[in-house]
Amino acid sequence: GAVVSQHPSRVICKSGTSVKIECRSLDFQATTMFWYRQFPKQSLMLMATSNEGSKATYEQGVEKDKFLINHASLTLSTLTVTSAHPEDSSFYICSAAGGTYEQYFGPGTRLTVT
Amino acid sequence: GNSVTQMEGPVTLSEEAFLTINCTYTATGYPSLFWYVQYPGEGLQLLLKATKADDKGSNKGFEATYRKETTSFHLEKGSVQVSDSAVYFCALTGIQGAQKLVFGQGTRLTINP
Repeated sequence: GAVVSQHPSRVICKSGTSVKIECRSLDFQATTMFWYRQFPKQSLMLMATSNEGSKATYEQGVEKDKFLINHASLTLSTLTVTSAHPEDSSFYICSAAGGTYEQYFGPGTRLTVT
Repeated sequence: GNSVTQMEGPVTLSEEAFLTINCTYTATGYPSLFWYVQYPGEGLQLLLKATKADDKGSNKGFEATYRKETTSFHLEKGSVQVSDSAVYFCALTGIQGAQKLVFGQGTRLTINP
């Protein structure tokens, strides 16, 4: 149980375009989902926390207009990177929590902006 | 603020060696403590956890004991395998009801045959 999927696993997009990443909890209802960014050989940086039906809470320094987060249902959250630039290239990981402190992580999405 | 400090890597060991990865934390209240493992190109997997002082988390031969007096949660394994090569993250959460995870910087472990 407690499986979280992400789609796509890898995406390459051109500079200036937008890309959407999906995060789904497959076998439980996720009241809270988290989006992280990970640079090579570094730890995870929390970008934002989203609760179903509410606006996401962004961490300091994260541009909410660039990284749009939608948590429309208890099993799906999306992260849209708008007007992507090469510096947005990174590994994006989501996690989901069903009301307890334990988070279940997705496999990650590798974004490359050319 | 709340923080987690891990021993710096990379760590390279031979197969069947004993492993210790140190982790200490700073937090108010009584956090829950976790070790996550990340294999190349993948997301994080929960390796083990402990929710209160003196609890021992264990999984796949790995162990860690929640030491409140030393604010530590060191990861140990008696005999490592090549397949244990990965990045290991110590983390905490549960402070004042918050779900946010605070991660250490990660320790890259390489096991040579």
